[in-house]
Amino acid sequence: GNSVTQMEGPVTLSEEAFLTINCTYTATGYPSLFWYVQYPGEGLQLLLKATKADDKGSNKGFEATYRKETTSFHLEKGSVQVSDSAVYFCALRGNTPLVFGKGTRLSVIA
Amino acid sequence: DTAVSQTPKYLVTQMGNDKSIKCEQNLGHDTMYWYKQDSKKFLKIMFSYNNKELIINETVPNRFSPKSPDKAHLNLHINSLELGDSAVYFCASSQKGGGTDTQYFGPGTRLTVL
Repeated sequence: GNSVTQMEGPVTLSEEAFLTINCTYTATGYPSLFWYVQYPGEGLQLLLKATKADDKGSNKGFEATYRKETTSFHLEKGSVQVSDSAVYFCALRGNTPLVFGKGTRLSVIA
Repeated sequence: DTAVSQTPKYLVTQMGNDKSIKCEQNLGHDTMYWYKQDSKKFLKIMFSYNNKELIINETVPNRFSPKSPDKAHLNLHINSLELGDSAVYFCASSQKGGGTDTQYFGPGTRLTVL
């Protein structure tokens, strides 16, 4: 079945550091890929998405490229801020319900 | 002007009780969902409704019964609550339920069963 594997957290970075959160997937067909973010005490918000191979999703300085050859959708940001501290979820949707990874907690310290 | 709202935000109750969580979306979407997030933050789909009809039921115990009075509302009723039901429950909605649709999530309901 479809599945998503994210790097284990927590990830702790200093402000302005470069961020990568790895995400790989297993799916039949051509799923859409998503990154959701959950700030403390809040629900999930869509951060970015890509619906076909080689698409790049971007938002708020975050980027992720849909790589079919490596079945990956790694999240990157060039310079993180304290306000980026949250839990990040990679997810996919194909012919099944939205399937989430286990989430990666990011803490950014000033 | 909240897009997806849930009530209550917090719910503390005793084992064996019956409780309901309400969800409403004002986005005009056709599809609504319930997710459960456990203590380790793992999120899993429970149910999905499209235009008031159940389309996904992911091996959830019969004690959980969703009800959709209209396509803007999807409520979750839980009978005979158990300790393992303690979790955060998220409601979500999307335009049509297709694979490329973005799902919009509510703020969550933290259920604690004592």
